[in-house]
Amino acid sequence: GENVEQHPSTLSVQEGDSAVIKCTYSDSASNYFPWYKQELGKGPQLIIDIRSNVGEKKDQRIAVTLNKTAKHFSLHITETQPEDSAVYFCAASPTTTSGTYKYIFGTGTRLKVLA
Amino acid sequence: DSGVTQTPKHLITATGQRVTLRCSPRSGDLSVYWYQQSLDQGLQFLIQYYNGEERAKGNILERFSAQQFPDLHSELNLSSLELGDSALYFCASSVGLAGDPNEQFFGPGTRLTVL
Repeated sequence: GENVEQHPSTLSVQEGDSAVIKCTYSDSASNYFPWYKQELGKGPQLIIDIRSNVGEKKDQRIAVTLNKTAKHFSLHITETQPEDSAVYFCAASPTTTSGTYKYIFGTGTRLKVLA
Repeated sequence: DSGVTQTPKHLITATGQRVTLRCSPRSGDLSVYWYQQSLDQGLQFLIQYYNGEERAKGNILERFSAQQFPDLHSELNLSSLELGDSALYFCASSVGLAGDPNEQFFGPGTRLTVL
């Protein structure tokens, strides 16, 4: 069935270092891949997304890469800062039989940026 | 602030009871999604409504139901509550054009505790 695997489940990095979170999806019909950041006590917030017709997208310190052949996509955060500490979720969006779509989320990565 | 509102923020109830969670989408958004987030787990998609009609179902229990009203607000009804239903329940909304995944904006969530 539809599944998104996310690794690692926890990640600790020193401030200023880079962080990489990887996801693998199973449904080849997925064509939209958002990344969400969830801070404690808040709802998830979109930080970057990529569509299947693009291999890479960058927004300041955040970048996402997509390998459709391998069904892999990754989040890269450079020059990490303490405020980057949060739980990050990847998601894949396959089309449903009704012609709409839904998100299948990964299990999350708890990122800790150590000052 | 995503523009999505959820009430109540917290809900404490007993096993066997029934509760209703409410969500108001962002202005102009036609799609509403409900997700369940259990402790240290990812976001499980429950159900989607688009302009008042159910469009997609995920892992939603038969004891749970939802609806979207003409003013586009949505309610998630949870009945015969069990201890395992304790979780954060998120509502998200999007413009919801069929066939074209759009960003989902998440509300702050309702924390349900079943005692």
